[in-house]
Amino acid sequence: DAKTTQPPSMDCAEGRAANLPCNHSTISGNEYVYWYRQIHSQGPQYIIHGLKNNETNEMASLIITEDRKSSTLILPHATLRDTAVYYCIALRSGGGADGLTFGKGTHLIIQP
Amino acid sequence: GAVVSQHPSRVICKSGTSVKIECRSLDFQATTMFWYRQFPKQSLMLMATSNEGSKATYEQGVEKDKFLINHASLTLSTLTVTSAHPEDSSFYICSARATSVITGELFFGEGSRLTVL
Repeated sequence: DAKTTQPPSMDCAEGRAANLPCNHSTISGNEYVYWYRQIHSQGPQYIIHGLKNNETNEMASLIITEDRKSSTLILPHATLRDTAVYYCIALRSGGGADGLTFGKGTHLIIQP
Repeated sequence: GAVVSQHPSRVICKSGTSVKIECRSLDFQATTMFWYRQFPKQSLMLMATSNEGSKATYEQGVEKDKFLINHASLTLSTLTVTSAHPEDSSFYICSARATSVITGELFFGEGSRLTVL
């Protein structure tokens, strides 16, 4: 699976949009981009995933660049409960037998 | 979304004893479950892949005789830490993938915090 690079930490004001970047310049054509987050002392929580097109669900939006070398996770109206470590992971299609490889992620801190 | 439950959420044991952690998929069947370990201020590290009805596959550096994994049914996998020592104190997290899902979404349990005295 392709290596991903994320900033170690970010701050965002409550109520503002939080934009978390991820670089995956070596991603291959059959690798999806997944985002998970981990709130302190809890198991990771799935947020969203995508292949080529931008995706949106009730939690967030995922913007993938046309060359697929980077992506941005957008939390449209951040709340204090969004403070967590966010992980960007590349996983190949059909990787049903593969565990996820977690990097260090981005520690997002929402400021009141 | 799918639910994965772990038990116990916290356990304290004496050095030299064994501890069993259960991981259940509550509303789906999971052919494959994964066990992770997380030390303080570090990321999750994959320990092993648990396959229903067969032997687990361990990552490099993980002792299979120390971390016994059993996946006897499509909804239950167990991790037993044998002869636990203080350095085994960690946050253990399981995850499972629904057999019908092919795009890789994993659901995670709440985690089990092990403290070995």
